[in-house]
Amino acid sequence: NAGVTQTPKFRILKIGQSMTLQCAQDMNHNYMYWYRQDPGMGLKLIYYSVGAGITDKGEVPNGYNVSRSTTEDFPLRLELAAPSQTSVYFCASSTIYEQYFGPGTRLTVT
Amino acid sequence: KNEVEQSPQNLTAQEGEFITINCSYSVGISALHWLQQHPGGGIVSLFMLSSGKKKHGRLIATINIQEKHSSLHITASHPRDSAVYICASQPQGAQKLVFGQGTRLTINP
Repeated sequence: NAGVTQTPKFRILKIGQSMTLQCAQDMNHNYMYWYRQDPGMGLKLIYYSVGAGITDKGEVPNGYNVSRSTTEDFPLRLELAAPSQTSVYFCASSTIYEQYFGPGTRLTVT
Repeated sequence: KNEVEQSPQNLTAQEGEFITINCSYSVGISALHWLQQHPGGGIVSLFMLSSGKKKHGRLIATINIQEKHSSLHITASHPRDSAVYICASQPQGAQKLVFGQGTRLTINP
């Protein structure tokens, strides 16, 4: 199993540009999450999904959108990127016992 | 509001020392998670516990539900244990986690 994969690993965006962060898992987990981690801060939940076709907002959803058309994929869309969205983004999937994290995407908005 | 507090924020120790990291949470939970974030950034799950104590190798995690407190202990610490250790609460009835800010542990040889 590849586990949870994320692409790209790094990205630099200009203010106002848009992009999609890709996340995929091959463990057939229903639960998937997007987190952001700012320097020196804890992980914050952006959006999560309890299964294909079902998504819900987390603590910090503004400026982001998600979709979950399949069990495997959970892309995160940034529209009109802002410097405040500079962060490391982690995707995760989970069983009821354990969370599995992707390697992260380091995004800089300038 | 569901909050998770960890202490200390930073901890430096010598190889071989016994390490304790503390975590307090504010609401009833179904589980408490401990995670490790490597210097390269990757995050792995260490423990999920809802009561008592769990042990894996040199790592021990305990939880006191009544006091809303958990501890992570490392015995015979080693420089490869240097990482950020993150505590996260899983509120009752929810699958999503609330994270502490993490404890940065440095073990010097």
